[in-house]
Amino acid sequence: ELKVEQNPLFLSMQEGKNYTIYCNYSTTSDRLYWYRQDPGKSLESLFVLLSNGAVKQEGRLMASLDTKARLSTLHITAAVHDLSATYFCAVEKRGNYQLIWGAGTKLIIKP
Amino acid sequence: SQTIHQWPATLVQPVGSPLSLECTVEGTSNPNLYWYRQAAGRGLQLLFYSVGIGQISSEVPQNLSASRPQDRQFILSSKKLLLSDSGFYLCAWSVSSLNTEAFFGQGTRLTVV
Repeated sequence: ELKVEQNPLFLSMQEGKNYTIYCNYSTTSDRLYWYRQDPGKSLESLFVLLSNGAVKQEGRLMASLDTKARLSTLHITAAVHDLSATYFCAVEKRGNYQLIWGAGTKLIIKP
Repeated sequence: SQTIHQWPATLVQPVGSPLSLECTVEGTSNPNLYWYRQAAGRGLQLLFYSVGIGQISSEVPQNLSASRPQDRQFILSSKKLLLSDSGFYLCAWSVSSLNTEAFFGQGTRLTVV
């Protein structure tokens, strides 16, 4: 059974600092996604990672995928307040192509 | 471009009342459609998904049901709501089973009182 674990689940940090959110999954998968959710809002797709070693960057966010380690990271560089949100990773389940979701990381960036 | 519409945005319903949430997708054909529920401060729970008209798969046994009467329309229903049905309901679509990137509607916040 595919399980997805994110850590940390909660992160409070100062503006200007760097930090990394981790997403581990338990069985082989071909695709991994990162989403952002603002409080009370829906989810927005950030990154699609399709292969081992894939790296995607958008502004201060960079996502990477290591399929051998079954690990994806979301790195935040020089955090700004606008990045405060909950970040979810989702892993595609082989066979039925559903997404299995992590519990989310609530990120608070203090000015 | 593709868009997804979900309504209503908020809903307060008494226990035992029926429910109907509707979702439509524009700008694509034969999408995969999904209903998720998110409890407060929690992750996403897949409730139903559909790969075509009239084809519904249920992930979690409960008093909810889903229907897909048209290619780009997905409906979540209940005959009698329970307090535990409260939550944030999200409709989503993806291009196909081979491209699972999900695009979400704005969500419906349901409070059962």
